[in-house]
Amino acid sequence: NAGVIQTPRHKVTGKGQEATLWCEPISGHSAVFWYRQTIVQGLEFLTYFRNQAPIDDSGMPKERFSAQMPNQSHSTLKIQSTQPQDSAVYLCASSLDGTTNTEVFFGKGTRLTVV
Amino acid sequence: GEQVEQRPPHLSVREGDSAVITCTYTDPNSYYFFWYKQEPGASLQLLMKVFSSTEINEGQGFTVLLNKKDKRLSLNLTAAHPGDSAAYFCAVSVSSGSWQLIFGSGTQLTVMP
Repeated sequence: NAGVIQTPRHKVTGKGQEATLWCEPISGHSAVFWYRQTIVQGLEFLTYFRNQAPIDDSGMPKERFSAQMPNQSHSTLKIQSTQPQDSAVYLCASSLDGTTNTEVFFGKGTRLTVV
Repeated sequence: GEQVEQRPPHLSVREGDSAVITCTYTDPNSYYFFWYKQEPGASLQLLMKVFSSTEINEGQGFTVLLNKKDKRLSLNLTAAHPGDSAAYFCAVSVSSGSWQLIFGSGTQLTVMP
């Protein structure tokens, strides 16, 4: 079990460019979460999928951010027209069924730097 | 919505000393409480999960206390060692279908030999 795999581990983009972050959840897990971690804001919930369907995107910035889960083995977080304030560590996590009773496993994150 | 405050932001102790990290939360309906450890370059690792029906949980080298009356959750590392140096985060979720983890701001613990 390789755990939740996130790629790339580091990404540097120029202001205004697009960034796509990839996540491979643990095999057999039906729930996938995205969180963002910054020094100032800490860990913030972004969005949640269960069985590939978007369930809750209440934490996603309304503009420029989108997330998809085209199949059960990967999810993507796309940021259009990146801005310096988007610089953060983006964490993907998965759990067996998404209920609060089951353990959430986190990936190592993708550190996005917008210059 | 739920708000979680974690203190202190930085904590430095000597090897063998205890280290206490505390979180307070606002939503009395909060039901599940978590402590995570994050070492540099590593993923968040679950230390312990506590339900509102329990008050004291003991792990390997640490104790978690939950005071529902005061809405306070604490992590007490007993006899800390340098390997405990890491960032620690509490997280809270409300029952009944809430899948969001509301995290505290984190505590950077340094254990000096």
